[in-house]
Amino acid sequence: EAGVVQSPRYKIIEKKQPVAFWCNPISGHNTLYWYRQNLGQGPELLIRYENEEAVDDSQLPKDRFSAERLKGVDSTLKIQPAELGDSAVYLCASSLGVQGTEAFFGQGTRLTVV
Amino acid sequence: AQSVTQLGSHVSVSEGALVLLRCNYSSSVPPYLFWYVQYPNQGLQLLLKYTTGATLVKGINGFEAEFKKSETSFHLTKPSAHMSDAAEYFCAVSGGNNDMRFGAGTRLTVKP
Repeated sequence: EAGVVQSPRYKIIEKKQPVAFWCNPISGHNTLYWYRQNLGQGPELLIRYENEEAVDDSQLPKDRFSAERLKGVDSTLKIQPAELGDSAVYLCASSLGVQGTEAFFGQGTRLTVV
Repeated sequence: AQSVTQLGSHVSVSEGALVLLRCNYSSSVPPYLFWYVQYPNQGLQLLLKYTTGATLVKGINGFEAEFKKSETSFHLTKPSAHMSDAAEYFCAVSGGNNDMRFGAGTRLTVKP
């Protein structure tokens, strides 16, 4: 069974440019998470989807970040415009959505803003 | 809302020594608790989890953790450290709504 797939693995962009990350969750997983992980820190939740509905986006900086999960499967996270402080690893994870089930993580996208 | 505190950002042990990584949680509902491991340039991999039932949970690679409600703790242990255990370890908590929150992590170093 394929795991959570993220692309690209690495991205370097200049500040003020837009960038997008893509995530394909495990088949059948209703819950999808986007986390941001700064160097030496734990993952911080940006947004959580239950199927196609964003049920928790309280930590998403909505002035520059947006996300979508069309048809409740793949998801895209976008930053426009990027700032130097956005440099981090962006992790996507998915789970069955049943209480107590674990999240499965992709390998992440490492974003460097210069 | 749930939160996790991991005591000690860095832990160093000798090969063969006991590994103890500390995690305390805060939750307004009965928690589901998880330990994940992260190797360099990789995503997070589940080590073990507590949902209900037995409070001593065994995971992969010889790790185990004990849920102690009275202490709001879920510490991770391994009797004998291997060089391959060197990694970053994260404790996470989830309530009944799949809201998974992570601690800041503990970097484990294993000395030969």
